[in-house]
Amino acid sequence: DSGVTQTPKHLITATGQRVTLRCSPRSGDLSVYWYQQSLDQGLQFLIQYYNGEERAKGNILERFSAQQFPDLHSELNLSSLELGDSALYFCASSPSAGTYNEQFFGPGTRLTVL
Amino acid sequence: DQQVKQNSPSLSVQEGRISILNCDYTNSMFDYFLWYKKYPAEGPTFLISISSIKDKNEDGRFTVFLNKSAKHLSLHIVPSQPGDSAVYFCAAYWKSSGDKLTFGTGTRLAVRP
Repeated sequence: DSGVTQTPKHLITATGQRVTLRCSPRSGDLSVYWYQQSLDQGLQFLIQYYNGEERAKGNILERFSAQQFPDLHSELNLSSLELGDSALYFCASSPSAGTYNEQFFGPGTRLTVL
Repeated sequence: DQQVKQNSPSLSVQEGRISILNCDYTNSMFDYFLWYKKYPAEGPTFLISISSIKDKNEDGRFTVFLNKSAKHLSLHIVPSQPGDSAVYFCAAYWKSSGDKLTFGTGTRLAVRP
């Protein structure tokens, strides 16, 4: 158990819909990262927040947005969903801002878009 | 553009033998390399890392080798155990890239008893 929690575990929705994925980092960790893993793909970095502020951005679509709240939990919002958005979405956390430090991953949210 | 490549999607090894997982990269600017291990239905867990100024880092049964001239990274597991059966991802970090990790597509290791 990494100490990072993600809800929900599974999400099934239809094209065009909007969903919100939630992540609670380990106690004391200030950085939260979001990754997408599509079938047979590696983890694609989406975005990083550090202590409430956006710190680094990867290949995140404009239809996707994220935020980190004062209690440090984070939400990833996916809108106008397409079939290709079906993937595993991982959240990770770390104590500091440096991305090369060890990141602690949650179990992921599996999103299926029908 | 896949900057970090794991060309072997799977590897099968006998228990007690050495497992060698390979990773190639194209960007000579990478500063750090990391290996993560992932079991089914779990998130990845950090295994070992190496700075670009080193060529070897060891942690118990796990050793990572870095060959900068060949832009090649390898993870050696000796001896391999059935509990090592998992998907292994290599990842690379380049500070000037906006401070993000670039992951390979993973290699599934199966250790046969």
